[in-house]
Amino acid sequence: DAGVIQSPRHEVTEMGQEVTLRCKPISGHDYLFWYRQTMMRGLELLIYFNNNVPIDDSGMPEDRFSAKMPNASFSTLKIQPSEPRDSAVYFCASSFGQGSGELFFGEGSRLTVL
Amino acid sequence: SQQGEEDPQALSIQEGENATMNCSYKTSINNLQWYRQNSGRGLVHLILIRSNEREKHSGRLRVTLDTSKKSSSLLITASRAADTASYFCATAGNTPLVFGKGTRLSVIA
Repeated sequence: DAGVIQSPRHEVTEMGQEVTLRCKPISGHDYLFWYRQTMMRGLELLIYFNNNVPIDDSGMPEDRFSAKMPNASFSTLKIQPSEPRDSAVYFCASSFGQGSGELFFGEGSRLTVL
Repeated sequence: SQQGEEDPQALSIQEGENATMNCSYKTSINNLQWYRQNSGRGLVHLILIRSNEREKHSGRLRVTLDTSKKSSSLLITASRAADTASYFCATAGNTPLVFGKGTRLSVIA
């Protein structure tokens, strides 16, 4: 299996622009997670899905953030409008069978908002 | 919060030495996991220990869990330069994994 695939790997944008991050989970996995990693705050859970349904989005920092999972093989995390404090590495991870089991992470999307 | 906190924040050792990292957490858990992250890469799962287990081994890795003290340790024996990475503990209760901020391990050849 190719593992969790994220795109883009790097994104540099200007404040106020819309950013869309994409994730393809491992085939057959029924849980999908979006995490954000910064030096100051470490890894923070933003939102997770089970069978394409959002279960908990309490970690989404503001209304500027939204996530969707239209089908089992694709999810997006959108930031609109972006701000410099959104600069971070965004990770997508997937797992099978339980929300507290082993997670398989993508390589991350490094976002820089100028 | 059940967030794990790793100790030390950074550790530097010579190749061949053992590396020990500790993790403390605050609430009851179902399991505790350790992950590794190489610079610029995603996290990779190393080992999972359930709340009813006290010790687990995987290759050069040994993990212990003391639920009475709400703590875990990760021991890497006979370290190699390739073990240089950040190591994170993650706790799982009735919610998805919550990660600590990690221990940055440097193994000097």
